[in-house]
Amino acid sequence: GQQVMQIPQYQHVQEGEDFTTYCNSSTTLSNIQWYKQRPGGHPVFLIQLVKSGEVKKQKRLTFQFGEAKKNSSLHITATQTTDVGTYFCAGRGGYQKVTFGIGTKLQVIP
Amino acid sequence: NAGVTQTPKFQVLKTGQSMTLQCAQDMNHNSMYWYRQDPGMGLRLIYYSASEGTTDKGEVPNGYNVSRLNKREFSLRLESAAPSQTSVYFCASSQGAGANVLTFGAGSRLTVL
Repeated sequence: GQQVMQIPQYQHVQEGEDFTTYCNSSTTLSNIQWYKQRPGGHPVFLIQLVKSGEVKKQKRLTFQFGEAKKNSSLHITATQTTDVGTYFCAGRGGYQKVTFGIGTKLQVIP
Repeated sequence: NAGVTQTPKFQVLKTGQSMTLQCAQDMNHNSMYWYRQDPGMGLRLIYYSASEGTTDKGEVPNGYNVSRLNKREFSLRLESAAPSQTSVYFCASSQGAGANVLTFGAGSRLTVL
């Protein structure tokens, strides 16, 4: 079945450092979504990538979708304490088949 | 708008007890989902309903049943709770079954003793 692997599982950074989380799928994806979950909260949609090689930016966040549509990354430039949380990728393969990665828990040290 | 509302927020059960988690959305979404979240396991799909009147199993359906009561409501039932079902449960909805964004509820934290 479809598997989405996400690394690292945990990341501690000093405030101002950059952060990257990676997702890799065992199968080709039709699209990939990214969600953020604040501590004690629920996942909130950040962005969706659909096209091969697509790059999207949201302020300090840069999202990439690989050329083969099997991997993706989220990069945060100059982290802030407001970036704390768990970042999930969610890959969509066949109809309705959405698989979440295990998430990357980001801690930002002031 | 409330979005996706789940009740209860917290529940403690004894092994063997039953309970129903309720979920309602007010966004006129067609598809609804139940996920469980466990440390180191991410979000795993229990059941989903692509549209009113249909339900399908996800990755981890054993021990659960669901009911799509109407377009707004999708409930999750544990008939005989087990400690392995201790988890945080999230209900979510999306406009359709395709490449749609998931809107999550606030979650229900269930502990089975």
